[in-house]
Amino acid sequence: GAVVSQHPSWVICKSGTSVKIECRSLDFQATTMFWYRQFPKQSLMLMATSNEGSKATYEQGVEKDKFLINHASLTLSTLTVTSAHPEDSSFYICSAAGTETDTQYFGPGTRLTVL
Amino acid sequence: AQSVAQPEDQVNVAEGNPLTVKCTYSVSGNPYLFWYVQYPNRGLQFLLKYITGDNLVKGSYGFEAEFNKSQTSFHLKKPSALVSDSALYFCALRPYGQNFVFGPGTRLSVLP
Repeated sequence: GAVVSQHPSWVICKSGTSVKIECRSLDFQATTMFWYRQFPKQSLMLMATSNEGSKATYEQGVEKDKFLINHASLTLSTLTVTSAHPEDSSFYICSAAGTETDTQYFGPGTRLTVL
Repeated sequence: AQSVAQPEDQVNVAEGNPLTVKCTYSVSGNPYLFWYVQYPNRGLQFLLKYITGDNLVKGSYGFEAEFNKSQTSFHLKKPSALVSDSALYFCALRPYGQNFVFGPGTRLSVLP
């Protein structure tokens, strides 16, 4: 149980384009989803928290207009990196928490490379 | 302020030997503590958690961790390491009602 998927697993795009990453909870309803960014050999940095049907809460320093988050249902959240630039290249990981909100379950991550 | 420290960037251990990955924390109030493992180019996999109760917590793949309130530690242990245990290990703290705080990670290498 508690499986979270992400799609795509990797993406390469040109600078200036937008990229959408999907995060799905496959076998439970995720009342809250989290988006993290991980730089090489570093820990996870929380970008934002989203609850189904409401606006995401962004961490300090994260541009909400740059990283658009939509939590449209209890099983799907999307992160759109708008007008991507090379500095946005990173490993993006989502996690989901259900009613048992003391534990987060993580997706496999999406590696974004912006050329 | 809440924080998690993993004092060792890298831990090397021979296969079959016991392993310990250290974690200390700072939090006001009672902590929820977690260990996650990350394999290359993968997300984090949940290993175990401490919420309340017995200080020794048993988790997946033979791992266990001991909560020590006086030392504010939550070290991860395994009696006999496997080469397949080689990965990046993260200790995390979840203050009540707040988001996770992750440690910097410790890379474990189990040598055959």
